[in-house]
Amino acid sequence: EPEVTQTPSHQVTQMGQEVILRCVPISNHLYFYWYRQILGQKVEFLVSFYNNEISEKSEIFDDQFSVERPDGSNFTLKIRSTKLEDSAMYFCARQGVNSGANVLTFGAGSRLTVL
Amino acid sequence: DQQVKQNSPSLSVQEGRISILNCDYTNSMFDYFLWYKKYPAEGPTFLISISSIKDKNEDGRFTVFLNKSAKHLSLHIVPSQPGDSAVYFCAASAHGISNFGNEKLTFGTGTRLTIIP
Repeated sequence: EPEVTQTPSHQVTQMGQEVILRCVPISNHLYFYWYRQILGQKVEFLVSFYNNEISEKSEIFDDQFSVERPDGSNFTLKIRSTKLEDSAMYFCARQGVNSGANVLTFGAGSRLTVL
Repeated sequence: DQQVKQNSPSLSVQEGRISILNCDYTNSMFDYFLWYKKYPAEGPTFLISISSIKDKNEDGRFTVFLNKSAKHLSLHIVPSQPGDSAVYFCAASAHGISNFGNEKLTFGTGTRLTIIP
């Protein structure tokens, strides 16, 4: 059973539409993260979420982005009005426990394609 | 601003030989370094890490070396196996006392390793 489950695996949307990407980090962890990877580029930090609040965010994470953990289980990333340049793989991650507190465990990712 | 650089986009190595992947960084505040491996359609998978207080960490076939004065680290895989074929990402974080636990990782652009049978 994967430790971090992300849905959908792939979403195609029209520019300007809202998108919600979901993550279910199994077991109780306090720190959660969203990263993204534009095709052919490096994996980039978007936001960290601690104790139900944003802990840190990058300059990429502008007002079009939001995160929440609405039911204490799912961890969501919402893009309010998608742009072409939002097309990327979005990875959810949680802080490690068994492998070390410094280690992030990533989900398989959600591929977002904005047309 | 590329704070973590992997200058080799690809590397091919014969099965059984040693694979050496290199990574350079510019931010002297980085104090923790990690290597992740990524297969297509999967998320990055943690391989091995090293704290800045060490210069070497070994785990089975994988060894990471850190040269702080040169701001350089390398991952050695020996012997290389076909299953090692993947993209390898170097990543770094800067903790400090107040920020420990918040793993904002800065990644390199990755090196695609191909092991030739």
